[in-house]
Amino acid sequence: AQKVTQAQTEISVVEKEDVTLDCVYETRDTTYYLFWYKQPPSGELVFLIRRNSFDEQNEISGRYSWNFQKSTSSFNFTITASQVVDSAVYFCALSLWPYDEKLTFGTGTRLTIIP
Amino acid sequence: DVKVTQSSRYLVKRTGEKVFLECVQDMDHENMFWYRQDPGLGLRLIYFSYDVKMKEKGDIPEGYSVSREKKERFSLILESASTNQTSMYLCASSLYRVDIQYFGAGTRLSVL
Repeated sequence: AQKVTQAQTEISVVEKEDVTLDCVYETRDTTYYLFWYKQPPSGELVFLIRRNSFDEQNEISGRYSWNFQKSTSSFNFTITASQVVDSAVYFCALSLWPYDEKLTFGTGTRLTIIP
Repeated sequence: DVKVTQSSRYLVKRTGEKVFLECVQDMDHENMFWYRQDPGLGLRLIYFSYDVKMKEKGDIPEGYSVSREKKERFSLILESASTNQTSMYLCASSLYRVDIQYFGAGTRLSVL
């Protein structure tokens, strides 16, 4: 069975600080997808990124970056120069590919950016 | 943009009532999902559907059923609501079975 662990339940940082959200996953399968979603106070989960198990390249999108390391089974998410609008709950998730449509979610990290 | 719409943001029901949660997507997606979100537990899959009239159980189907009569609509049914079904319910859809899932804003259900 798959498992996703987000050990940080809550994080608070002052605006403009950098912050890293940790995600550790467990699976015996060699092909899978990893995801990050953002859930702002409005409630809707917003897709941020998908990464497949064959692609360990780090990705950067504006102030967001993701570090995927298969050696440590981690898929960490860094926000640079945080802003108040980044305050949300962030979820990491895993799905097996190509045959399992289920997303296995972590328990989420609540990020609060203090102005 | 994909739009997944859940009919109610907040619902309050009594124990024993039959409850319908409705979800509609406008992108002709094949697959639709119902999740339940509880503090400290993340999101857990209740049921999903990969085609009209087709459904599969997720991790926590007990106490729930689903209906998918049309491609764009997926309903979650609580046959006899109980207080332990008080939760946030999230609907999602995806084009392919293993794909990015797009979520609605959620329905916060309170069963009294």
